[in-house]
Parts: sequence; structure tokens; C-alpha cells
Amino acid sequence: AQSVAQPEDQVNVAEGNPLTVKCTYSVSGNPYLFWYVQYPNRGLQFLLKYITGDNLVKGSYGFEAEFNKSQTSFHLKKPSALVSDSALYFCAVSQTGANNLFFGTGTRLTVIP
Amino acid sequence: NAGVMQNPRHLVRRRGQEARLRCSPMKGHSHVYWYRQLPEEGLKFMVYLQKENIIDESGMPKERFSAEFPKEGPSILRIQQVVRGDSAAYFCASSGDRGQTYEQYFGPGTRLTVT
Repeated sequence: AQSVAQPEDQVNVAEGNPLTVKCTYSVSGNPYLFWYVQYPNRGLQFLLKYITGDNLVKGSYGFEAEFNKSQTSFHLKKPSALVSDSALYFCAVSQTGANNLFFGTGTRLTVIP
Repeated sequence: NAGVMQNPRHLVRRRGQEARLRCSPMKGHSHVYWYRQLPEEGLKFMVYLQKENIIDESGMPKERFSAEFPKEGPSILRIQQVVRGDSAAYFCASSGDRGQTYEQYFGPGTRLTVT
């Protein structure tokens, strides 16, 4: 069975500071890992993905994530947070050959001016 | 290139009525997925379709829910005899051929309210 854990419901960070949103996963076989962002009353926007290759993945809007196989983690990071980054962030996993994404419960990021 | 389109954006139904939610995938995408999001929760997979075929419906409730993706026209998620517990946001996503890309692109969602 596959699962995704986002241990923090809420993350607050000051504008200009680095941010980290945590994600750990459990899946059979090789994972496909994704981060999405959701703004109020909107659909999810794709940020980045890890399929294979370099463990550090760079995505949209200056976000990046690092795949750590030994810790089964895929934390989302950004060196300098913007107020406009405030939103709900979802980590998702899919296992090899599967069709669906399995989502975490989301982390609400608030960037304080 | 238009994104994934869903309509209606908001739908209000009384208990016992039928709800029909529509999804047009991104141009060139032939894979459609439906997800449900309850308040303050993540998205839960419901069904995966390709044109004229249901590939995986492991997340669909056994009764009252059905989905189709006809050769022509949008994908339809149909909920018969709605109950209050069906109130949620329903998101559709699409993707291209899995050999080329794996990310799913989401529509804006349909917010269903059952009164």
C-alpha cells in the first residue's frame, strides 16, 4: 500500500527566509514523487516531479525538492520565501505502473511580510 | 493551449437529485483522472479513464457513482441520488502518454453542495 505523510499542517516563515515543507512516503517499488500547490478556490498547479536521475529536482517559481531514498523523503524547499508563496502544498506519490496519484493531507504555508 | 476545463464550477443539488460533472482534458491529452477533495483534506483518487475505456475505478464508490469518457466530448462524472456526504470539490486531471510525461494537470474543480 502507498501512503504520504506531511507531518506539518501549517508552516509559517518570514518573507526572505528559506522555507521547507516536509514529505515522507511509503510505496512498493520505485516511487514517482510530485509537489502541487493549491490557491484558494483553485485547482492544483504542478510544481515539480521526481521520476529518476538527479536527486535534486528544480521546479516552477524557484522551488526545488530533494529525493532521499534512505529516509523516504521528498521535502520541498525554496531559498527565499515570497508572500505570494502562501498557499496549500500537497505532496503526492505514484508507484511504478500505477495510474493514480496518492496525496498527502497538505501543508498550509504562510509567508509573513 | 487551454488547460483542463471543468463545468460547472459550482453545483447545488437537493438530496436525491443527480449531479453531472464535466471535464475537458488539455488538448492532446488522452488520459483523464477524477479526484474528490473533502474540506481540509487531500485529494482522493476516484477513477482513471482513457477514451471509451475505464482503466481503473478502484477509488469509486460502488453505488451511485459512474464515469465515462466518450469518443467525442468531455468526460462525465455522474452521481445519482446525491446525499449530503457527496458535498465536496471534484477535480479532474489529464495527462499525455505515460511514456512521455507523468505529471497530471488539474482543472479548477467543481464544488458540489448537496442541500
